[in-house]
This record gives sequence, structure tokens and C-alpha cells, in this order.
Amino acid sequence: KAGVTQTPRYLIKTRGQQVTLSCSPISGHRSVSWYQQTPGQGLQFLFEYFSETQRNKGNFPGRFSGRQFSNSRSEMNVSTLELGDSALYLCASSRSSGRTGEQYFGPGTRLTVT
Amino acid sequence: GQQLNQSPQSMFIQEGEDVSMNCTSSSIFNTWLWYKQEPGEGPVLLIALYKAGELTSNGRLTAQFGITRKDSFLNISASIPSDVGIYFCAGRNFGNEKLTFGTGTRLTIIP
Repeated sequence: KAGVTQTPRYLIKTRGQQVTLSCSPISGHRSVSWYQQTPGQGLQFLFEYFSETQRNKGNFPGRFSGRQFSNSRSEMNVSTLELGDSALYLCASSRSSGRTGEQYFGPGTRLTVT
Repeated sequence: GQQLNQSPQSMFIQEGEDVSMNCTSSSIFNTWLWYKQEPGEGPVLLIALYKAGELTSNGRLTAQFGITRKDSFLNISASIPSDVGIYFCAGRNFGNEKLTFGTGTRLTIIP
């Protein structure tokens, strides 16, 4: 079974630009979560989508947004990029069925803002 | 954002040694997960724990869900070179996919 895939793997953007990252979950997984990983803050939850609806949101500014499509694929968008947005952005998928809390991560997208 | 307290922050051990690390939280969780991350990759799920007091093994790895539901422990026996990486704990509550991660333990094996 294919794992979680993320594209692109690496991205370099300039301050003020916007960026869109893509995530394809494991087949059959309906929940997609996004995390930001930085050396200073560690792994921080951005938001989670299930059946095309945002169910949970972390403590990030409105410049960070996302969406989920009917095939469970998800995108996240960051507008008006700041230097501090440089990070590894990770996507995780899960079945989201009852108790099971097993989330599986993709390889991440390394975003560098210059 | 919130991070769970994980200790030790780093470990330098020799091949063949056993490793222990732990994770503590100020709030309870219904699920504890342990992940390993290698450079340039996403975290890989090692063990999932669903019940207070539960002890679960995955090969040389053994993890426990603390009785208070505010902590968890991971042990690695007879370490080998491929165990090198950063180990993260993560807590989750039922009905919420949000994972709260620990600060990580970096494991280095000294030749």
C-alpha cells in the first residue's frame, strides 16, 4: 500500500509570495492533518480535514489555510510569506475511525523563505 | 504552541546498550504514540498505546502508557546503528485527530 505522498519536496519562495503544498493520503484514509516543524517550536498542529471539512485548527494566523478534495487529497496554502514560515511542512493521514489514533506521515515539504 | 516534555533531550550510547526515554504532560491523553524521525524524512510510527497501564512491544522497542495518562515511556533494547534518529512522543484524545508532540530525544550511537 502506498504511503502518504507530498509535493513538492523542496520549495524556495520570497517574502510576500504565496505557496501551495499538496498531500495525497494513504488509500482509504479520510482524515488529513498538517503540521509545521521548526527547530525552535518543534512539531505544531496546523489543521485537520475530514470529508472536505476542517474539523480542527491549531493556533496559526489566517495566512495559513487548507482544503480537502472529495478524493481526500489535501492542499495547504500560505499567503504573504514571512521569513519565519521557513519550515518542514508535514502531512499525516489516518482512518479517523473511533478510537484509533494512528497517523501516518509523509516525507514533508521543506519550505525556505528568503 | 504546546509541546510535551520529553527527556532526555539527547543520548549518546554505544551499540548494544539499552535506551530509555520518557514523555510527560500536564494534561491527560487517551492515546500515546511514539515516532522516529530521520533526517529529511517525516516521522515514522513505531508504537501506539490506547489504554492506561498498557505495555506494547514492537521488536526491540517497548512502550508503556502511564497509569496517570499523563506520561509514557519508550525503551529500546540492544541498540543497533539504524536506531539513530530523533524519537518523538505524541498525545491524542478521542474524537480529535490533533497530535501534541514532545520535544524529541536525539539518539546517537557512538562507534
